[in-house]
Amino acid sequence: DTEVTQTPKHLVMGMTNKKSLKCEQHMGHRAMYWYKQKAKKPPELMFVYSYEKLSINESVPSRFSPECPNSSLLNLHLHALQPEDSALYLCASSQEGVGGNTIYFGEGSWLTVV
Amino acid sequence: GQQVMQIPQYQHVQEGEDFTTYCNSSTTLSNIQWYKQRPGGHPVFLIQLVKSGEVKKQKRLTFQFGEAKKNSSLHITATQTTDVGTYFCAGLKGGNKLVFGAGTILRVKS
Repeated sequence: DTEVTQTPKHLVMGMTNKKSLKCEQHMGHRAMYWYKQKAKKPPELMFVYSYEKLSINESVPSRFSPECPNSSLLNLHLHALQPEDSALYLCASSQEGVGGNTIYFGEGSWLTVV
Repeated sequence: GQQVMQIPQYQHVQEGEDFTTYCNSSTTLSNIQWYKQRPGGHPVFLIQLVKSGEVKKQKRLTFQFGEAKKNSSLHITATQTTDVGTYFCAGLKGGNKLVFGAGTILRVKS
């Protein structure tokens, strides 16, 4: 079982809706991530938070808005999405530190935009 | 751009046969991580290699990291139906940026 918990597991939303994906970890990790994965493709990095600060934004459209309320929580706010944004959204976390940074994934949130 | 190339894209083997997937980066990697993703599942961490020339084994799985820290391989001996899934390598290119290879889909015929 993964120690990174994501909710909801499945989400269907319209293009005018506003929704949020939530992620929680209690491993004491100080880096948290959002990845997007399309079918039969590898995960693609979207955002990285390090010590609760946004450290990497991979040129993600502004309709995706990340938020890190504290070191254990990571949210992804969704607004005005397009059907092509339908994908598996994976949250992950890792410890900070040189030579480490093994990344542990949650089970993902399956998003369908209609 | 930063890329990690992985081959083959697909591999169908008879149960009991061996399987190998290869990863190659154009730049030196801080470390390389391997993940397995079952159909409909999420990536599950298998192992991390950090040192040049490192070799690690997990039961029937053997992982290698090249001397130049630019390539890696995963070898499975005597595949079983439970080995089915997509195997991803992922290279850490400094800091927290993990770049995934395209993955190798393994199918095992019993």
